[in-house]
Amino acid sequence: DTAVSQTPKYLVTQMGNDKSIKCEQNLGHDTMYWYKQDSKKFLKIMFSYNNKELIINETVPNRFSPKSPDKAHLNLHINSLELGDSAVYFCASSQDPTGVQETQYFGPGTRLLVL
Amino acid sequence: KQEVTQIPAALSVPEGENLVLNCSFTDSAIYNLQWFRQDPGKGLTSLLLIQSSQREQTSGRLNASLDKSSGRSTLYIAASQPGDSATYLCAVYAAGNQFYFGTGTSLTVIP
Repeated sequence: DTAVSQTPKYLVTQMGNDKSIKCEQNLGHDTMYWYKQDSKKFLKIMFSYNNKELIINETVPNRFSPKSPDKAHLNLHINSLELGDSAVYFCASSQDPTGVQETQYFGPGTRLLVL
Repeated sequence: KQEVTQIPAALSVPEGENLVLNCSFTDSAIYNLQWFRQDPGKGLTSLLLIQSSQREQTSGRLNASLDKSSGRSTLYIAASQPGDSATYLCAVYAAGNQFYFGTGTSLTVIP
């Protein structure tokens, strides 16, 4: 059983295109996250949603727009892709929105390459 | 701003050795610290979670310690195995619902 799933696993696209990455969790968690991992393996949080409401919005370009149709899904839409957007994007979920009591569960990642 | 650093960046050891991975953070006002494992092409797997009030956590061959006042945590791996080869990340959770990750230590255990 896949707890946190992401699609697609790999995404290769041209600069300027618009693309979406989907994330679904079947753990019944209330909170979901998007992280970006750069080429140096540095992981940085981008967004956090709790029960479909945005609770963390880091300083990311407004070309990135998260969408949460329900608490089991948090999709990431990226407009006008740039070369610097190439990275691995991880989705995660947790039950505790503060993250204090328990860990987050991560998806397998989506490897985005912008040409 | 919180900064998390992991040393060394890469480590190669023969099978069977005990090893220590280090994590340091600049702001001691954290709620918890987690150690994760990342395998190539796969997501992150949580290994151990230490609350700020705790000193250590153990799971099998893994032991993680936390010294919040000095901003340090260590992950001790006993009797290393080739299957332990992966990148190990530490992350601290701090005020403002913020997670801060280190850059990771890439571990290779040689059979």
